Amino acid sequence: GAVVSQHPSWVICKSGTSVKIECRSLDFQATTMFWYRQFPKQSLMLMATSNEGSKATYEQGVEKDKFLINHASLTLSTLTVTSAHPEDSSFYICSASTRSSYEQYFGPGTRLTVT
Amino acid sequence: QKEVEQDPGPLSVPEGAIVSLNCTYSNSAFQYFMWYRQYSRKGPELLMYTYSSGNKEDGRFTAQVDKSSKYISLFIRDSQPSDSATYLCAILKYSGAGSYQLTFGKGTKLSVIP
Repeated sequence: GAVVSQHPSWVICKSGTSVKIECRSLDFQATTMFWYRQFPKQSLMLMATSNEGSKATYEQGVEKDKFLINHASLTLSTLTVTSAHPEDSSFYICSASTRSSYEQYFGPGTRLTVT
Repeated sequence: QKEVEQDPGPLSVPEGAIVSLNCTYSNSAFQYFMWYRQYSRKGPELLMYTYSSGNKEDGRFTAQVDKSSKYISLFIRDSQPSDSATYLCAILKYSGAGSYQLTFGKGTKLSVIP
């Protein structure tokens, strides 16, 4: 149980285009979803937290107009990187948790390469 | 000062060795401490968590917290090549509205050589 999937697993896009990444909880209802970014040899950095049906809360330094997060249902959250640039190339990982639970279940990650 | 500090390594040990992975944290109010394992290009998976000081054992893995020195450790006994991965420590904080947030260390890359 507690499986989280991400799609796509790897995407290459051209500079200036937008990319959407999906995060799904397959066998549980995720009241809260988190989006992280991980650069090579670096730790996971929390970008934003989203509760179902509410606007996402972004961490300091994360541009909310560039990284659009939607958590429209209890099983799906999406991250859209708008007008992507090469410096946005990174490993994006989502996680999901249920209400009042401390445990986060992580997806397998999406590798974004912007050329 | 970062909330969680972890030596990124890399750390290379022979098969069967005892591995010690360590982190320090800054805020004595933190109460939950987590260890995650991350294989290359995969998401992290929770290995163990501890609450308060002391040891917690699960098979070959032991998590230890020393709150007086703000030091957390993960020990792996009889290490195996399949243990080769990056190990991340994390602290768990309550962020309000029934939600918890994780703050991760940099991760230590471990290689167990057959």
